[in-house]
Amino acid sequence: EDKVVQSPLSLVVHEGDTVTLNCSYEVTNFRSLLWYKQEKKAPTFLFMLTSSGIEKKSGRLSSILDKKELFSILNITATQTGDSAIYLCAVARDNYGQNFVFGPGTRLSVLP
Amino acid sequence: SAVISQKPSRDICQRGTSLTIQCQVDSQVTMMFWYRQQPGQSLTLIATANQGSEATYESGFVIDKFPISRPNLTFSTLTVSNMSPEDSSIYLCSVANLPGLGLDEQYFGPGTRLTVT
Repeated sequence: EDKVVQSPLSLVVHEGDTVTLNCSYEVTNFRSLLWYKQEKKAPTFLFMLTSSGIEKKSGRLSSILDKKELFSILNITATQTGDSAIYLCAVARDNYGQNFVFGPGTRLSVLP
Repeated sequence: SAVISQKPSRDICQRGTSLTIQCQVDSQVTMMFWYRQQPGQSLTLIATANQGSEATYESGFVIDKFPISRPNLTFSTLTVSNMSPEDSSIYLCSVANLPGLGLDEQYFGPGTRLTVT
């Protein structure tokens, strides 16, 4: 059965810390890996990764994919309280049409 | 991206009744999806809403319980039928394959928080 695993499930840090969130996957017909930030109800898109070894960066956030080892990391540097959220990893599969499998998420709490 | 709205934003319903959730997008989109997020859980894909044809349901979800309409490229509805407390969840619609963006970049509506008593 296809699955997406994230670790840690929960993390508490202080402002200014750097965090690394992990996502590993076992899916058939992998097409892309996506990261989302969920603060209240709606997840917001962060990154889409399709190629190994190419870092995507947006401000203090960056992410990279390793398709050989089947994992991705999301880094957040100089964390702020506004980074507190659930970070979701999802994998898009190349089945009929489009198909997405979400991981359980990492709940990040950034304390002042 | 796209601007997505959902109605209602929240509702409290009695068991045995049905609720229809609307999803409106400000531009035409080819791919539209419905998700459920149960308390403390991640997102689970219910179905892909297909314009002009029956929705494609994921394993564990059936049309009788979650009928979906997609009359055009900007609008879809999800009905949660014969509700029970186990249906209490956040229901989210999303769109993907937007012009100029990656195929899999999904954008989500604000969600509908449903509580069944």
